[in-house]
Amino acid sequence: GAGVSQTPSNKVTEKGKYVELRCDPISGHTALYWYRQSLGQGPEFLIYFQGTGAADDSGLPNDRFFAVRPEGSVSTLKIQRTERGDSAVYLCASSNQGRETQYFGPGTRLLVL
Amino acid sequence: GEDVEQSLFLSVREGDSSVINCTYTDSSSTYLYWYKQEPGAGLQLLTYIFSNMDMKQDQRLTVLLNKKDKHLSLRIADTQTGDSAIYFCAAQGGKLIFGQGTELSVKP
Repeated sequence: GAGVSQTPSNKVTEKGKYVELRCDPISGHTALYWYRQSLGQGPEFLIYFQGTGAADDSGLPNDRFFAVRPEGSVSTLKIQRTERGDSAVYLCASSNQGRETQYFGPGTRLLVL
Repeated sequence: GEDVEQSLFLSVREGDSSVINCTYTDSSSTYLYWYKQEPGAGLQLLTYIFSNMDMKQDQRLTVLLNKKDKHLSLRIADTQTGDSAIYFCAAQGGKLIFGQGTELSVKP
């Protein structure tokens, strides 16, 4: 596609629920990244995929967070038992290969009530 | 760990130059980036500089890199009201490490 797309653009859920956030990277980009941006802060790294495998998941805050990229293109970030502190904008980025310029999607705004 | 620091606010008059500063700690960073974020929007890549360069110019934007001091700056010439946004500096050693962002306010 023309750019990175993310769905949904907004998600409101209740504490304790499960959510899935989707990222569709730029066609042909092998590297995909997830970041989380809290209000008034810069984005913080969560996880990086090279192809289908997670090359670096050191930014995932705890085991409630999990991400997959089964076919090396679309990725899904999954959050179990959501907490109010999970409320943030979740950003996805892709690059042609690792360590190259990352292009960001518009983000998914998650609100946990 | 790796860290990137920016001043939080900058206010300028339309037509003036803006200079946004950034310091980083990871000397192994290969690329350094500037992204722009408008309210409610995603991150727009503005420009980047490779770590073995000390200056890059792209139209109204000039990036200066002092690798010894780990200091990066973004100069916007002839600043316009449409430049009002939050500007993020980011250092790349694989994943991106972002600063907290500088809010640029341009007054007519």
